[in-house]
Formats: sequence, structure tokens, C-alpha cells
Amino acid sequence: SQTIHQWPATLVQPVGSPLSLECTVEGTSNPNLYWYRQAAGRGLQLLFYSVGIGQISSEVPQNLSASRPQDRQFILSSKKLLLSDSGFYLCAWNGGYQNIQYFGAGTRLSVL
Amino acid sequence: KNEVEQSPQNLTAQEGEFITINCSYSVGISALHWLQQHPGGGIVSLFMLSSGKKKHGRLIATINIQEKHSSLHITASHPRDSAVYICALLRGGGSNYKLTFGKGTLLTVNP
Repeated sequence: SQTIHQWPATLVQPVGSPLSLECTVEGTSNPNLYWYRQAAGRGLQLLFYSVGIGQISSEVPQNLSASRPQDRQFILSSKKLLLSDSGFYLCAWNGGYQNIQYFGAGTRLSVL
Repeated sequence: KNEVEQSPQNLTAQEGEFITINCSYSVGISALHWLQQHPGGGIVSLFMLSSGKKKHGRLIATINIQEKHSSLHITASHPRDSAVYICALLRGGGSNYKLTFGKGTLLTVNP
């Protein structure tokens, strides 16, 4: 069966520090991968999606970047965090004929 | 105007009550997701539907494509149903499917 792993679960980082969040998927190949952010009091927002290794599409201009070095690995990064980067970050993948999306457990990031 | 609107924003019910959460949208879609987000943040996909009605246990989801409206119903609600319920629009085609999310409905079911 397919599984999605996301870590860490919680992260507290100072302003200006770098960020690396990792997401891996097991049990499937060539999934579409997504990074979402949920800011406090707001809905989920798509940040990046990837349809293959090295293929990244950005949905909103921001301080973050994403990379897909391997088929089932998706990384969200920042060189210098801003206060406004605080939020709940979710990785997801979809596959199968129904295109249902499956979500990771999320990372709660607090930038202080 | 947001492409997807959910109502109500907050809903409090007594155990056993019938719950309805509504989702209206203004764009063409391939399908619509209903998601459940637990207090810890984890998200589970409940339904994905593009027409008619789907049922899973005490949960029922309906969609009217012509009216651009979907509803999520919970029968015989229970405190463990307390969560945020999110409607999400699935758009695109080929390998380019993307979700646009509503802001969610916070459901609290009291014993």
C-alpha cells in the first residue's frame, strides 16, 4: 500500500535561518507531488507541484523553493525564513485513476 | 470573490443530530473533494465526486454540477466527528490536476 512520510512534525526556527522539509512517498512510482501551506485562520494554499523528477511548478511568488531530486522525494526549502512563512505545511501525492490526493501528517512551522 | 465558498464557517451540534455542510463554487471543475482535518492537522480525503451522490458509513456527499454546489451530510453525528471539513475543487487535466480549497467548516459535536 502507498504511504506518505513527512518530517519533522513540528519546527521552530528563527527569522533568517534556512529551512528544509522533506516528504517521501512509498508504494507508488511517478506520483504527482504537492506542497501546501495553511496559514493561521486561512485555507490551504498550493505552493508547488511536481509531475516528475526535476519538474517543479510554483503557484505563488514567495520566499520558498521546492526540489524533487528523486521520483518519490519532494523537498521544500528556504534560504532565509520570514515571519510570514509560519504555518502548517502539508505534502500530498495523487495517483490512480481517480486522482484522489493523499496527505502527509504535516509540519507545523513557527518562525520567531 | 473566492472561487469556492463553504458554509457555515462554524457549526456546533448535539450528538445524534443530522449535519449538513455546504460548498458552492464558481468555476468549472473536474471533480470535488471533501476532506476532513483533525485537530492535530492531519488531513484525510473523505470523498471525491464528479456527479450524483456517494455514501460511506454515516457520511453522504452530493454534488449538483449544474448548480455548482455540493453538500456533505453526517447522519447520527458523534463527538469523534468533530473536525474541520474542507471542500476542494479539482481542476486541470492530464498530469496537471490541482486543488483549490475552501476555508473549511469547523464542526463541534457535543456529547
